[in-house]
Amino acid sequence: DGGITQSPKYLFRKEGQNVTLSCEQNLNHDAMYWYRQDPGQGLRLIYYSQIVNDFQKGDIAEGYSVSREKKESFPLTVTSAQKNPTAFYLCASSIGTEANYGYTFGSGTRLTVV
Amino acid sequence: GEDVEQSLFLSVREGDSSVINCTYTDSSSTYLYWYKQEPGAGLQLLTYIFSNMDMKQDQRLTVLLNKKDKHLSLRIADTQTGDSAIYFCAEKEDSGYALNFGKGTSLLVTP
Repeated sequence: DGGITQSPKYLFRKEGQNVTLSCEQNLNHDAMYWYRQDPGQGLRLIYYSQIVNDFQKGDIAEGYSVSREKKESFPLTVTSAQKNPTAFYLCASSIGTEANYGYTFGSGTRLTVV
Repeated sequence: GEDVEQSLFLSVREGDSSVINCTYTDSSSTYLYWYKQEPGAGLQLLTYIFSNMDMKQDQRLTVLLNKKDKHLSLRIADTQTGDSAIYFCAEKEDSGYALNFGKGTSLLVTP
């Protein structure tokens, strides 16, 4: 079955560490997105990529980095510069580059700083 | 981005209809969406509507769009306990590349 897979489901990070969240899709979707979800805050866009080797900052990109070396993969690195990284991270993909028909979401990664 | 506003909570009895409301500020919004999120899970696309439509019906779900008032609603008929979840409204401009989400409405269905 086609889908979008995020791993790990739970991740714990020590202060000062970088961590990478994985997002893989086998839907042959062109565009991929990373959102952060905090209680009562809804979803906020971190980064998005419409094509391989190209990505754009979203509303809250500071302290995060991404790469898009393959169409199927869009990993997110949470760097030590992100001061409040504890959150639920959601990856999504869309047919075409403009997401007119909405996103397909992964099941999320919950990151906790310990 | 532009604002998408939703009420935070809604409680209904099983078997009743639920109506979840959303308002948006961007008059360029061309695509509007409803997503459902169950605890600890990702978001599931329920339905979407284009701005040239007033209504869309899909089984128990009815979406109404009032473009003049920038108001979108989702009606769930015969609400079941399995419908308890957070419902997100989202919009996208025709020229935009990403969806803009509201903060979500938590729907609680009681027996």
